Amino acid sequence: AQKVTQAQTEISVVEKEDVTLDCVYETRDTTYYLFWYKQPPSGELVFLIRRNSFDEQNEISGRYSWNFQKSTSSFNFTITASQVVDSAVYFCALSEYSGGGADGLTFGKGTHLIIQP
Amino acid sequence: DTAVSQTPKYLVTQMGNDKSIKCEQNLGHDTMYWYKQDSKKFLKIMFSYNNKELIINETVPNRFSPKSPDKAHLNLHINSLELGDSAVYFCASSPNQGGGASEKLFFGSGTQLSVL
Repeated sequence: AQKVTQAQTEISVVEKEDVTLDCVYETRDTTYYLFWYKQPPSGELVFLIRRNSFDEQNEISGRYSWNFQKSTSSFNFTITASQVVDSAVYFCALSEYSGGGADGLTFGKGTHLIIQP
Repeated sequence: DTAVSQTPKYLVTQMGNDKSIKCEQNLGHDTMYWYKQDSKKFLKIMFSYNNKELIINETVPNRFSPKSPDKAHLNLHINSLELGDSAVYFCASSPNQGGGASEKLFFGSGTQLSVL
């Protein structure tokens, strides 16, 4: 069975600090997809990234970067030079190839990130 | 134009009532979902439909009944509402690539249901 663990329930940092959100997953499939979503205080779910299991290259998008390591089943998310607008709940999610797409995503419990000015 | 729209955004009702939440997507996607987010922010899938056919029905009380009149709509009807049904309900859609490919989900803005 697939499972996503985000061990950090809440993280609080001061603006401009770097912060890493951890995500560990479990799956029996060799083909799977990993995602990060952001949920700001307004409540909507904002897609950040999708990565398939065959692509272990790290990705950088502005101040955001993702470190995918199959050896440790982790897909961690780093925000560099954090800003108050980064304050949100961040969800890591997994989808297995064998699920046929219609299985949707299995989400972790989320990490509440608080950026203090 | 909103890609996935759900109405209403807020729903306050008494225990025992029946209510519906509507969802429509204009993305031409084949698959639609309902997710429930509880007070601790945990997101859990309830149902998924592919081309109007029910694919997933997680452990959800049968008071919850999804209805898909066409592949652009997936409505959620809830009978005999209970206090524990209070949550945020998200509709989502995704394209169906076939063969198990999993595209990202496009979410609606959520419906906050409060049962008093």
